[in-house]
Amino acid sequence: AQSVTQPDIHITVSEGASLELRCNYSYGATPYLFWYVQSPGQGLQLLLKYFSGDTLVQGIKGFEAEFKRSQSSFNLRKPSVHWSDAAEYFCAVGPSGYSTLTFGKGTMLLVSP
Amino acid sequence: NAGVTQTPKFQVLKTGQSMTLQCAQDMNHEYMSWYRQDPGMGLRLIHYSVGAGITDQGEVPNGYNVSRSTTEDFPLRLLSAAPSQTSVYFCASSSTGTGGSYEQYFGPGTRLTVT
Repeated sequence: AQSVTQPDIHITVSEGASLELRCNYSYGATPYLFWYVQSPGQGLQLLLKYFSGDTLVQGIKGFEAEFKRSQSSFNLRKPSVHWSDAAEYFCAVGPSGYSTLTFGKGTMLLVSP
Repeated sequence: NAGVTQTPKFQVLKTGQSMTLQCAQDMNHEYMSWYRQDPGMGLRLIHYSVGAGITDQGEVPNGYNVSRSTTEDFPLRLLSAAPSQTSVYFCASSSTGTGGSYEQYFGPGTRLTVT
């Protein structure tokens, strides 16, 4: 069965500092991987996705993620965090982009001034 | 396009009551699904559908019922509400055809409280 682990429940980063959110997955074949962001009281917005090809994918809002098959990881990065990035971030994996997604439990990002 | 819409936004039920959460999409997507979100649990799949007339269970289907009579609509029915069903419910849709973006589009959610 597929699974996703986001080891950090909360992360606090200073505004302007770099960010890395960790995601490890378990899946038998080549996975479809996603990062979503959820602001308080809002729905989920897709930041980026990986299906195949270049293992470094660019997303919206200056985010990027790198797929590392050997480590079963898909970590999300941003070089300089803005206060508006404070939100909850979810990593998700699925056998295909339109099929059932399995989500991690989320990482809450807090941005300090 | 309105995308994925959900009604109501908020709902309070008493234990034992039934209700239907509505979900509609105007993108002609074949695939639709329902998730529930609980603090510290992420999103968990309740039911999904790959087209009109076809539904299947997800990870947490007990206490919920779905049907898919049209491509656009995918309602979620709570048969007899229980406090354990207090949650935020999200509907999502995506295209299954070639050339699809493979992105699941999420609705704004319904916050349900069962007392």
